[in-house]
Amino acid sequence: RKEVEQDPGPFNVPEGATVAFNCTYSNSASQSFFWYRQDCRKEPKLLMSVYSSGNEDGRFTAQLNRASQYISLLIRDSKLSDSATYLCVVNQAAGNKLTFGGGTRVLVKP
Amino acid sequence: DAGVIQSPRHEVTEMGQEVTLRCKPISGHNSLFWYRQTMMRGLELLIYFNNNVPIDDSGMPEDRFSAKMPNASFSTLKIQPSEPRDSAVYFCASSWTNYMNTEAFFGQGTRLTVV
Repeated sequence: RKEVEQDPGPFNVPEGATVAFNCTYSNSASQSFFWYRQDCRKEPKLLMSVYSSGNEDGRFTAQLNRASQYISLLIRDSKLSDSATYLCVVNQAAGNKLTFGGGTRVLVKP
Repeated sequence: DAGVIQSPRHEVTEMGQEVTLRCKPISGHNSLFWYRQTMMRGLELLIYFNNNVPIDDSGMPEDRFSAKMPNASFSTLKIQPSEPRDSAVYFCASSWTNYMNTEAFFGQGTRLTVV
């Protein structure tokens, strides 16, 4: 089993719609969680950290479920510019090892 | 701050040649990561350093790969000899790490093609 798993998609989303997707992780001792965004042929960039209580940043909402070992990302009112690959990142408990999922591709269409 | 700086941006080399990728992390950051990205395997962590010391190199594919961090402002990833299957985008990232906060900032990557 991979340490961090994501549905690769693509998720085809009409503009203005809501899309949500999850990421599962295998190490129950994982400490920190993040969502990164990667545009085509660009480097990954931090979208948001994921806190235990859940957190929101504008149209983006992240949730953490430690019991089931997954995190989620929800995008409301999707914009064309939200088209990208969203990478789930988990910080393993020991040391500072950031492990990336394979990414979920989102395509927002007019 | 200029961010994480990688060089070269693109590298085309012949099989069997030595390739050296370079990275300058963000000043003040104490962790540095080397990742490789391919369509098939996604982003793979090759090695990471903390305070210039290699902590985990379990992702390094084989002995042809080596990485060094002689000081806090410079790291190299070397492939010798290179093979076509090494073709990928190699990213360097750095972060300031305490026990929890580990946001990593990425360089623009080096696109390596081995022919």
